[in-house]
Amino acid sequence: QVQLVQSGVEVKKPGASVRVSCQTSGYTFTSYFIHWVRQAPGQGLEWMGWINPNRDTTKYARKFQGRVAMARDTSISTAFMELTGLTSDDTAVYYCAREPLTGEFDFWGQGTLVTVSS
Amino acid sequence: EIVMTQSPATLSVSPGERATLSCRASQSVSSNLAWYQQKPGQAPRLLIYGAYTRATGISARFSGSGSGTEFTLTISSLQSEDFAVYYCQQYNNWPPYTFGQGTKLEIK
Repeated sequence: QVQLVQSGVEVKKPGASVRVSCQTSGYTFTSYFIHWVRQAPGQGLEWMGWINPNRDTTKYARKFQGRVAMARDTSISTAFMELTGLTSDDTAVYYCAREPLTGEFDFWGQGTLVTVSS
Repeated sequence: EIVMTQSPATLSVSPGERATLSCRASQSVSSNLAWYQQKPGQAPRLLIYGAYTRATGISARFSGSGSGTEFTLTISSLQSEDFAVYYCQQYNNWPPYTFGQGTKLEIK
């Protein structure tokens, strides 16, 4: 069965960086885009960007350009999202999600809580 | 950027009744619209894509309709497990992919 398993809780200080992983299984990793979506406490969903694991291409939301980098390691079917220059506004649950090239996000990781606090 | 607006923010419905949730796009998104359900502490779950196609394993009690700028998610005969927050998302014009702010469906 399709699974996306994310790395664990992170606590960071302002100005630091965080790297979240998303290990996939149950499907061909290079056949689906991986998106990253975040959700601040009590808030809605915010799209951050995607990576095409096949071509290693990325597209980021303008809001995060210059601060986010998405990568993948096809040998372990894992995607990564790194966010730099963290502030308290980056405190959120970060999700990875699979897109079957038709736009919708059909499977999601369990989420990774990132807390930014001094 | 396409803005997605959901209404109402909170909907109170009794079990067994029907719920109708609305989503409006600031410009046409054709049928490139998805609905997700999110329960506390869980990731969103895909319910509907292409405006009206149920995702794999989703109950026939969930139905989607609409195109262009106006969309509806209908849940017939509400069951206890249906009380959650629902989000619409457009994927017609990106970046960015955009979500509505959510509708909380609560027990009346």
